[in-house]
Amino acid sequence: AQRVTQPEKLLSVFKGAPVELKCNYSYSGSPELFWYVQYSRQRLQLLLRHISRESIKGFTADLNKGETSFHLKKPFAQEEDSAMYYCALSAADKLIFGTGTRLQVFP
Amino acid sequence: NAGVTQTPKFQVLKTGQSMTLQCAQDMNHEYMSWYRQDPGMGLRLIHYSVGAGITDQGEVPNGYNVSRSTTEDFPLRLLSAAPSQTSVYFCASSPNEQGPNEQYFGPGTRLTVT
Repeated sequence: AQRVTQPEKLLSVFKGAPVELKCNYSYSGSPELFWYVQYSRQRLQLLLRHISRESIKGFTADLNKGETSFHLKKPFAQEEDSAMYYCALSAADKLIFGTGTRLQVFP
Repeated sequence: NAGVTQTPKFQVLKTGQSMTLQCAQDMNHEYMSWYRQDPGMGLRLIHYSVGAGITDQGEVPNGYNVSRSTTEDFPLRLLSAAPSQTSVYFCASSPNEQGPNEQYFGPGTRLTVT
């Protein structure tokens, strides 16, 4: 079955601390994975995709096929990173989302 | 470009009423989809379309109908509203006709069914 698991509903850190938002997936094919972000009062938007191996707003995510994970990391959190983060898996013609992790960054 | 637009922004229905949530995009995207967002459940796919005239069911299609008569529009119909359909509904479109990968989301419609 195709599934995306985000085990943490809420992650709270202080500004400047490292952040890791966990994402695990289940998929029999070759996975394409994404991180989407929803800031307060804004639309859900794409943050990054594994295939481009890019760093956006200081965030990176590496696909680990052995552990079936795609964790999102940032070495130094900023207050403006506070948002809802969703991991998503492209499975054929569907995009399957995890349940989301709310990141709170305190000053 | 307006991107993906949704109307209305808010709606309150009584149980048993029907209504249509409107979604339009002006980016000439082939792929469009509808999700509902509920606390603790993330975004769940209701229906999607890979092009005009083609629709398919997602994870939670029961109680909803869609049609895709044009590339631009993808309305979602609630046939007989139930309290369980209280949710925030998002429409999205993607330029990739082979799949949803990078999706552009609308602002959402907050629906309450009493």
